[in-house]
Formats: sequence, C-alpha cells, structure tokens
Amino acid sequence: SQQGEEDPQALSIQEGENATMNCSYKTSINNLQWYRQNSGRGLVHLILIRSNEREKHSGRLRVTLDTSKKSSSLLITASRAADTASYFCATAASYNTDKLIFGTGTRLQVFP
Amino acid sequence: DGGITQSPKYLFRKEGQNVTLSCEQNLNHDAMYWYRQDPGQGLRLIYYSQIVNDFQKGDIAEGYSVSREKKESFPLTVTSAQKNPTAFYLCASSSGLGWYFGAGTRLSVL
Repeated sequence: SQQGEEDPQALSIQEGENATMNCSYKTSINNLQWYRQNSGRGLVHLILIRSNEREKHSGRLRVTLDTSKKSSSLLITASRAADTASYFCATAASYNTDKLIFGTGTRLQVFP
Repeated sequence: DGGITQSPKYLFRKEGQNVTLSCEQNLNHDAMYWYRQDPGQGLRLIYYSQIVNDFQKGDIAEGYSVSREKKESFPLTVTSAQKNPTAFYLCASSSGLGWYFGAGTRLSVL
C-alpha cells in the first residue's frame, strides 16, 4: 500500500515563481526523501530529511518535516523551465527501513 | 562510472510468455529493489533483496519472480500469471541512506 500522498496532483507556474508541494504519510518514519522524475525516466534523489530534523536546504530546494502532522513540503524557489518534472516523496518506516514507500507524485509544469 | 543499468529499455511480451528484465549495479550496494509504475501513478514495490540469495515480497509480488545469485544482479521475471504487465519498471539499489534508480524498462503487451 502506498503510504505517501502528494498534494497538489498537478501544478503549473511561470518561471521565477516558487513551487510548493506537500506530502502526507501514515506511519512513524525513520526518514523522508524527495525524488524527481523526468517524463519516462528513472528517479533522481533530491534530498533526504531524517525524522529528528525539521528543515533542510539544498540549493533552490527547501524541505520541511512535521512529524506531529505526518507531513512534509518541498519548496522550489525561483523555478526554471528545466524544473518541469514529477516529484515524489518516499518514506522509510521506523519499523522497517529496508524499503521505501512512494507517494503518487506531483506533476510540475514550469512555463517560460 | 558507478550506477545501475536496466535492460532492455523497451520490451514486448506476447500472451502466455515469461519475460525477464535485467538490473545490474556496480555500486557495491547490498540492497536492491524492483518497483512498478503505472501512468500517472507513484511507484509500487514488487520485490526487494537485502542480501545475496535472499529476497522479500513487496506489495504487488503476484505474477512476478526474482533471483539474487550475485550482489550485482537482481533480474525480474514477469510471468504469464501477471495479467496486466504493461507498465514502467524501475530497479533501485541502496546503501542504506543513498538510493539510486536505473533508467527503467517499459514493458508492453503485444
């Protein structure tokens, strides 16, 4: 069963705007990860945030984690057309870190 | 170059036929995984292996089989029992914190 649910399912913005995607999950986690997938390609790891962390940055990416609400958000600042892709959150449960459970993803379209 | 190689990129299956998707990694990772992705959907776990000669069923293992005879290789067989095999299949490996994905195999039914 899929643990993560992303919101919104699809997002369209103009270049230069910020994009925010949200992820909710159901069980206690060890860590939460965000991935990017260009159309028809494999996944690229973006960032990992551990359950004892609240915020993490990587370049134009900012991830927050609220374990009390079982939710995370991914913010992409100053978006570019090249950011157009699907973005997935994935969680490793605290009781079983052996596997990742993926959400349904957010399709981001950035218009030039 | 270190990474994960999946082959073939495209695969076609006839009715009643078994097909095998290849996944090879040279990252020296112990853990390997197979996921299935349907159009507009997230990834669902088929099988995973934490160590050579051992593997575990994921959420949708029915109609699939795997083997892990070597650390570098984790082939997935889509059997004739899988009635809806058309999907994008992704292989991944992990060192525990770092996860790496192959480029995927797109399987279609003739």
